[in-house]
Amino acid sequence: AQRVTQPEKLLSVFKGAPVELKCNYSYSGSPELFWYVQYSRQRLQLLLRHISRESIKGFTADLNKGETSFHLKKPFAQEEDSAMYYCALKAGGSEKLVFGKGTKLTVNP
Amino acid sequence: SAVISQKPSRDICQRGTSLTIQCQVDSQVTMMFWYRQQPGQSLTLIATANQGSEATYESGFVIDKFPISRPNLTFSTLTVSNMSPEDSSIYLCSVGPRVNTEAFFGQGTRLTVV
Repeated sequence: AQRVTQPEKLLSVFKGAPVELKCNYSYSGSPELFWYVQYSRQRLQLLLRHISRESIKGFTADLNKGETSFHLKKPFAQEEDSAMYYCALKAGGSEKLVFGKGTKLTVNP
Repeated sequence: SAVISQKPSRDICQRGTSLTIQCQVDSQVTMMFWYRQQPGQSLTLIATANQGSEATYESGFVIDKFPISRPNLTFSTLTVSNMSPEDSSIYLCSVGPRVNTEAFFGQGTRLTVV
């Protein structure tokens, strides 16, 4: 069975500090991993996916198959990064997403 | 990309009644997905709505409680039947992700059952 674990329900940092949101997954095949973000009063939207290996809004995430992790990182957090972040997994051949429970990031001034 | 319109955006309903949530997509899609997000919890997939066939329900969700319609490739409805306070949740409609694309979500329907 596929499972996504985000161990931190809440994460609070100060502006300019580095931030890391943890995500671990359980899946026997080759997964596609995503980070979705939900800003206040907005709909859920894609932040980044491991396939594209891109940096969005300064965030990066590297898929570590050995550790089955896909942690989200940003070297200098900004107040506008405050949001709910969800890690999600898509099994090969499926269009279904399995979500973690989410981490609420608060960036304090 | 896909733009998804979902309505109603919120509702307060009496227990024992039913609510139908509508989801409209601006492009034709094969699969549409319905999720539930209970307070403080993650998104849980309820069912996959396929055009032209019965919806596929995930474990713990049944058609009698959550009947789904998919009359065409751009529209779907989810009905929450015989509601109880435990059904209070946010219900989300989604499409995708397909290969190398992302999933798109509606703005959600916040349901409160009293």
